[in-house]
Parts: sequence; C-alpha cells; structure tokens
Amino acid sequence: EVQLVQSGAEVRRPGESLKISCEASGYTFINNWIGWVRQMPGKGLEWMGIINPFDSTTVYSPSFKGQVTISADKSITTAYLQWSTLKASDTAIYYCTRHSRDGSSRSLGYWGQGTLVTVSS
Amino acid sequence: QSVLTQPPSASGTPGQRVTISCSGSSSNIGSYSINWYRQLPGTAPKLLIYSNDQRPSGVPDRFSGSKSGTSASLAISGLQSEDESDYYCAAWDDSLYGWVFGGGTKLTVL
Repeated sequence: EVQLVQSGAEVRRPGESLKISCEASGYTFINNWIGWVRQMPGKGLEWMGIINPFDSTTVYSPSFKGQVTISADKSITTAYLQWSTLKASDTAIYYCTRHSRDGSSRSLGYWGQGTLVTVSS
Repeated sequence: QSVLTQPPSASGTPGQRVTISCSGSSSNIGSYSINWYRQLPGTAPKLLIYSNDQRPSGVPDRFSGSKSGTSASLAISGLQSEDESDYYCAAWDDSLYGWVFGGGTKLTVL
C-alpha cells in the first residue's frame, strides 16, 4: 500500500527556519516524482514545486522559487520542504503528493495527510 | 487567480445530476489529461477522476469525467448529501512544468 506520511504540526515565529518531511512507503521511491502543495486557510490548492528523487532535480513554481527549498533523501525514502526565513503569510497546510505519468496522462494519486505550519509572533 | 477556471459554487437536490466545469489552455488541459479531486474539511485531497474519465478503485460510478479541447467537466449523478464537498480540477502544464489547479468548487446538496 502506497503511503505518504508527513511530519507533525509546527509553530514558529517569523524569521525562524523550518524543515518538514514526507516519508514514502509501499512503492519504489525513485520511480515517482514528489510534489508539494500549499493550502492557505480557507483557500484553494497551490502548486509549489516538484522533485525527482532519483537525482534530486527540482522545478519550482515561479510563485515559490527562492522562497522554499525542496529536497529528498532516497536512502530513507523521504522528501522535504524547508524555509530559511518564515513569514506570517507562510501559515498554511502543506501537502506532499506523488506524481505519476503514463504517456500524456499525469496524476497526483497519493497525498500525505498534510502538515499545518503556523507562523505567529 | 487560478490557472484553471472553475465555478466557485454549485448546488443540487438529492437524486439530481450536477456538473462542474473546468477551463484551461493548450499548455495544460489541451495537452494533458484532467484530474479531479474531492476534499472534505480538514482532510487531504482525494483523487476522484484521472486520465479525464477514469475512476480509481472505490470511487462510485455516479462520478464521471469528460474532456473536450481545453475544457473538462465532472458530473455527479444521483446526488447524495455526503457528496457535499470541495472539488478541484488539476492538470499538468507544459509552460510551468508543474501542476495547475482550479480554484475549487463548493458543492452544496440542498
């Protein structure tokens, strides 16, 4: 069974750093890219970026480039999302999701349970 | 402003058929298959439709999807109260080299 298990809720102050994780199991980790999606309170889904766990190639959405860093450690089948300087506007739920492709078909078939990040002074 | 355009709300009465539309462009829906997700409050999105019209195991056949050109739609027949939820469309985008989402449609069962 494919599972993506994310780290628990975090509370930080503005200016602090943070790294959240997404541990994958039930499939060959390097065979599927992992993406991150933000959902701000009461809002919709926003694509942040994607990583190829095989070689750690990353592509960021223009809205998030330079604001976050996506990484992965294939030895422990875990992807990460990190901030060096948090802002109050980073308060949101963050989801990791597994990307699959087959010809022109693409899907985000599996999602983590989400990590709530609260940034407040 | 979301790249894919969905109506913010939709409604129907039990037993009715409702449709939710999703409009995009040649770089996303026009080139790649559409996915639909359902999200209940406090939970992660769940894949409802993939490859335009395919249902994952466990999704009732009351849910169906279609795509034409740069637009797609989700249809829910035999509407039930438990169908109340937020629904999102999504597609891969060549220009962005990433996923784009619709803004979400809140479905209310009257």
